[in-house]
Amino acid sequence: AQKITQTQPGMFVQEKEAVTLDCTYDTSDQSYGLFWYKQPSSGEMIFLIYQGSYDEQNATEGRYSLNFQKARKSANLVISASQLGDSAMYFCAMRELTQGGSEKLVFGKGTKLTVNP
Amino acid sequence: NAGVMQNPRHLVRRRGQEARLRCSPMKGHSHVYWYRQLPEEGLKFMVYLQKENIIDESGMPKERFSAEFPKEGPSILRIQQVVRGDSAAYFCASSPPRGETDTQYFGPGTRLTVL
Repeated sequence: AQKITQTQPGMFVQEKEAVTLDCTYDTSDQSYGLFWYKQPSSGEMIFLIYQGSYDEQNATEGRYSLNFQKARKSANLVISASQLGDSAMYFCAMRELTQGGSEKLVFGKGTKLTVNP
Repeated sequence: NAGVMQNPRHLVRRRGQEARLRCSPMKGHSHVYWYRQLPEEGLKFMVYLQKENIIDESGMPKERFSAEFPKEGPSILRIQQVVRGDSAAYFCASSPPRGETDTQYFGPGTRLTVL
C-alpha cells in the first residue's frame, strides 16, 4: 500500500504568491518523521524541512513551513513569497523504522511546481 | 564542510558490463543509504549500511546488485551485468549516528545509462 500520497502532479503559482503542496501519509507507528525535499532540474535532492510526530508546533525554515495535521495525517508544505528559483519537483517523505533497527525514507511521487513571472 | 559526495555523476555502460557507484558520506556521518529513482518517479530505498555492516538490504534486487561500506573509503554500490532496466538515477544519503538529527542528506546522484 502506498504510504505517502502527493495528489498534485503539477502546480502553478505566480511569483511572490504563496503555494501549498499537499502530502498525506499512512502509518500505524506512534513515532515517525516527515520530510520535504526539493529536486531542481539539475537533479540533486535538497532537504527543506522536517516535522517530528511529537512536535507540537509546525516546523518552519525561512519561506518554508509545514502545515502538520496529525489527525488528518497530512503534512502539507507551504512556500511563501514564491521565487522563480522555486520551480522544481518537490517530494514528501516519511521515515520508517523497523524492529530490526533499520530506517529508511519512503517517498511520494512528487509534485512539479512551476513559478510564473 | 563538504556534503555527500558521489561519483561519477554520469555513467554509461553497455549491457553486460559492471557499474560501480561510489559515495562518500558527510564528515561525522556513519550511516549510508542508497536509493534509486526511475524517470518520473520518487526515490525507492535500496539498502542501509553502517561501517562494515549491511543493516537492511530489503530494497535491493536479489541478483546482480551488491553494496558495501568498508572501514576505510567510500560506500560502493555495484551492479553486475547491467541491463537496460537498470538505467536510473542512484542517490546516496548519509546521516549522523542514531540519537542525533533524523535527517538524511543526499548526494548529487549518479545517472546510469545502459546502452
